[in-house]
Amino acid sequence: DAMVIQNPRYQVTQFGKPVTLSCSQTLNHNVMYWYQQKSSQAPKLLFHYYDKDFNNEADTPDNFQSRRPNTSFCFLDIRSPGLGDAAMYLCATSTAGLDTQYFGPGTRLTVL
Amino acid sequence: GESVGLHLPTLSVQEGDNSIINCAYSNSASDYFIWYKQESGKGPQFIIDIRSNMDKRQGQRVTVLLNKTVKHLSLQIAATQPGDSAVYFCAENGGGNQFYFGTGTSLTVIP
Repeated sequence: DAMVIQNPRYQVTQFGKPVTLSCSQTLNHNVMYWYQQKSSQAPKLLFHYYDKDFNNEADTPDNFQSRRPNTSFCFLDIRSPGLGDAAMYLCATSTAGLDTQYFGPGTRLTVL
Repeated sequence: GESVGLHLPTLSVQEGDNSIINCAYSNSASDYFIWYKQESGKGPQFIIDIRSNMDKRQGQRVTVLLNKTVKHLSLQIAATQPGDSAVYFCAENGGGNQFYFGTGTSLTVIP
């Protein structure tokens, strides 16, 4: 009965090689979020979608992009990963901003 | 993003004692707050939430208190158990659909 699924759980990429992380949900929630979490730090919001409406955070680097082809799926694209992009990437969903977020297990990205 | 911070980065408690984890927030217009528990290698797990029209909310062994005057949240865990050892985050709804997380407190329960 998984609700927010992230694939893969572990991803290794090379410096500068584009990588895509995937998130899917079975909750039919309107909002999907992507967070970056580095070791011993809090999750940092990168961007979110409300339905098809994309909302970028002001300090999210251009290197990070996202796509939401339908309600269930959302992708995080890192165009040219740097060593500083190694982190846990968390996907979350909610029905709206004033409702609980549900998190996936995360994808741990390693950049070599 | 919004500034949401925690007073104590680490907390150690004896098993069976009560734990109190604190959080300060900066946006007086925030109207929804969530406490999360995150275990190593896992995503944050919802514990309890509170809306700004409330001062206190209780769950199973957990209580959240909200003091809007000083922009402060606390999470109280009763009869702390070894399984409560984790990092705890507060998150603030920053308007619209965004949520911003505090620094986090690492709770260690000593058997």
